[in-house]
Amino acid sequence: DTGVSQNPRHKITKRGQNVTFRCDPISEHNRLYWYRQTLGQGPEFLTYFQNEAQLEKSRLLSDRFSAERPKGSFSTLEIQRTEQGDSAMYLCASSPGFRRGVSGANVLTFGAGSRLTVL
Amino acid sequence: AQKITQTQPGMFVQEKEAVTLDCTYDTSDQSYGLFWYKQPSSGEMIFLIYQGSYDEQNATEGRYSLNFQKARKSANLVISASQLGDSAMYFCAMRAQMNTGFQKLVFGTGTRLLVSP
Repeated sequence: DTGVSQNPRHKITKRGQNVTFRCDPISEHNRLYWYRQTLGQGPEFLTYFQNEAQLEKSRLLSDRFSAERPKGSFSTLEIQRTEQGDSAMYLCASSPGFRRGVSGANVLTFGAGSRLTVL
Repeated sequence: AQKITQTQPGMFVQEKEAVTLDCTYDTSDQSYGLFWYKQPSSGEMIFLIYQGSYDEQNATEGRYSLNFQKARKSANLVISASQLGDSAMYFCAMRAQMNTGFQKLVFGTGTRLLVSP
C-alpha cells in the first residue's frame, strides 16, 4: 500500500447532477478525513471518521453532502444536486493517530484529490 | 479562533540557494502543533515537517527546518539548497481544537515557490 488513493481524479458535471468520490486510505490507518480546497485557498476540513464512525462534521458540509465509511475501510463522499459553488478539489487524508518518531503529531497523509467542476 | 497567515503569495529562488517561507499563527491554546505541507501540481499534499508548541528545539527534516519563534507566533519554513523539484505550493497548518475536543488542521492560503536554474 503506497498511499491514499482517490477516484475519480477529475469530474465534470452539470449543475443539479449527483457525484460520488471514493477514497481508499492507507490500510492500517483507522482515521479518515475529507477536506475541500477551492482555488487560491488552503484545504478546509469537511468531515472525520474513526473506523466506520463519522465523528465530526464541519458546518461547510451542507445537507446535500453525505459521507460514509462502511466497514471502516474505503470512504465515499456524495454531493447531491451539485451547484457551481461546489467546484473544488476534494482531498481525502488518513492517519494512524500518532506517527512514530514524531511526538505529539497526528500526521495526515493526503491523496492527490478529486477535482470537481460543476458547469 | 485559530488562524494561519501566509503573507507571501509567491517566492522566487535560484537553485542551490536557501529560501524562507513565512508563517504566523494565532491561537489561545497552550498546546498546539504546527505543520508544513508541500503541494506540487499533481495535487497531493506532502507532509514536510512538524513542530510541537512545547518542543524546545526547532524541528529539522533533511533540507527542511522550521524556525519556531513562540513569542512572535511565527513558524517559518527554511529550505536549504533549493532544488528544481521544490517548485510547488507550500502550506502552513496548525492543529486546532474544536468545541467537541476534535482536532482539525487549519491551513493558510499558501505560498507558491518557484526555483529557477
